[in-house]
Amino acid sequence: GEDVEQSLFLSVREGDSSVINCTYTDSSSTYLYWYKQEPGAGLQLLTYIFSNMDMKQDQRLTVLLNKKDKHLSLRIADTQTGDSAIYFCAEMDTGRRALTFGSGTRLQVQP
Amino acid sequence: ETGVTQTPRHLVMGMTNKKSLKCEQHLGHNAMYWYKQSAKKPLELMFVYNFKEQTENNSVPSRFSPECPNSSHLFLHLHTLQPEDSALYLCASSQDGTGGTNEKLFFGSGTQLSVL
Repeated sequence: GEDVEQSLFLSVREGDSSVINCTYTDSSSTYLYWYKQEPGAGLQLLTYIFSNMDMKQDQRLTVLLNKKDKHLSLRIADTQTGDSAIYFCAEMDTGRRALTFGSGTRLQVQP
Repeated sequence: ETGVTQTPRHLVMGMTNKKSLKCEQHLGHNAMYWYKQSAKKPLELMFVYNFKEQTENNSVPSRFSPECPNSSHLFLHLHTLQPEDSALYLCASSQDGTGGTNEKLFFGSGTQLSVL
């Protein structure tokens, strides 16, 4: 099966930038996604990037894609306490026609 | 509110019980999914339905039995579960589930299941 890997934990101070990293294995993925999960809730789509793009910016969020290294990152500028959550990277598994998720990175924002 | 509603939010059951999880989506989507989220594992895809037809069964034990009577409703029937089945069960939907397009998933809040 396809694998998506993320570091488990990241702690930053309020106002700093956060960078969450992800590596994936399916080179045929057309879209890659970032989801956010707050406590007691399901996953919420934050942003996504098409595989022929290197970068996508959406307000405080910047997604960088290095397709050669199969590396995806999510940068959150001016991180707020409300950004504390688990962030999941996901790729489209073209064989199973469904998303494969990483284990999630828990972001803790210190006031 | 994502347009995907799951009930119940919490469920405690014994190993001999039979229960069902329900999911309803109000987004007009054609694909629905069950995912399992355990404490120490990545999200695991369990089942995929496209236009009410099951298109994926990810080697899920038969004690989990999905049902999709129409494109808006999805059930997961549970019987003779094991304690290791305790997890958060998440339902999701997407526009068409073909995998070849931008398959944005919309998730419900999940059912937290505890098997005693």
